[in-house]
Amino acid sequence: DQQVKQNSPSLSVQEGRISILNCDYTNSMFDYFLWYKKYPAEGPTFLISISSIKDKNEDGRFTVFLNKSAKHLSLHIVPSQPGDSAVYFCAASPFTGGFKTIFGAGTRLFVKA
Amino acid sequence: NAGVTQTPKFQVLKTGQSMTLQCAQDMNHNSMYWYRQDPGMGLRLIYYSASEGTTDKGEVPNGYNVSRLNKREFSLRLESAAPSQTSVYFCASSEALGQGANEQYFGPGTRLTVT
Repeated sequence: DQQVKQNSPSLSVQEGRISILNCDYTNSMFDYFLWYKKYPAEGPTFLISISSIKDKNEDGRFTVFLNKSAKHLSLHIVPSQPGDSAVYFCAASPFTGGFKTIFGAGTRLFVKA
Repeated sequence: NAGVTQTPKFQVLKTGQSMTLQCAQDMNHNSMYWYRQDPGMGLRLIYYSASEGTTDKGEVPNGYNVSRLNKREFSLRLESAAPSQTSVYFCASSEALGQGANEQYFGPGTRLTVT
């Protein structure tokens, strides 16, 4: 039973355009949501997070939107750059027991120059 | 700061052999984690150590043991490797004691093949 789902294995976007990566979750006890980026042969790196009490968090070109009623979050990258090409993992963490972060399967983003 | 380091980077084992994956962090983080990544399945938690002296099972602990040697080091041991343990293993650490967003810092990974 996947509690965090990323239904698109891959996404291709033109440089300069918006990239939208989606994530759905099933457990209403999740309190924080995170996005990690992973390049080949490297470990994931933390990108941005959002608390369940917010509906938007922005950091430079990256914005995460949270829709709690739909149990859905999305990561927007504007404008997309070739260096953004990577695998993006959505993750969710409960407030108590926050050690047990649950990761989605990842979406591979290709940004074409 | 090296961040989180893992050794070895690559390893090939025969079924039944044992090995220990080493992990160290120099960020003075309290919590450390071991994950495995398999195609189409994201990262799955094997074991974690909330703080020095404690360890707990994650989602997929069977076939593994861990040791939190000190605050810096957290090792993962495969006592009798099986082909199902072929995977990429990541060690991670975090500052927060399981509170808040608890963003984690990952090592570069160990690619393990069991034949």
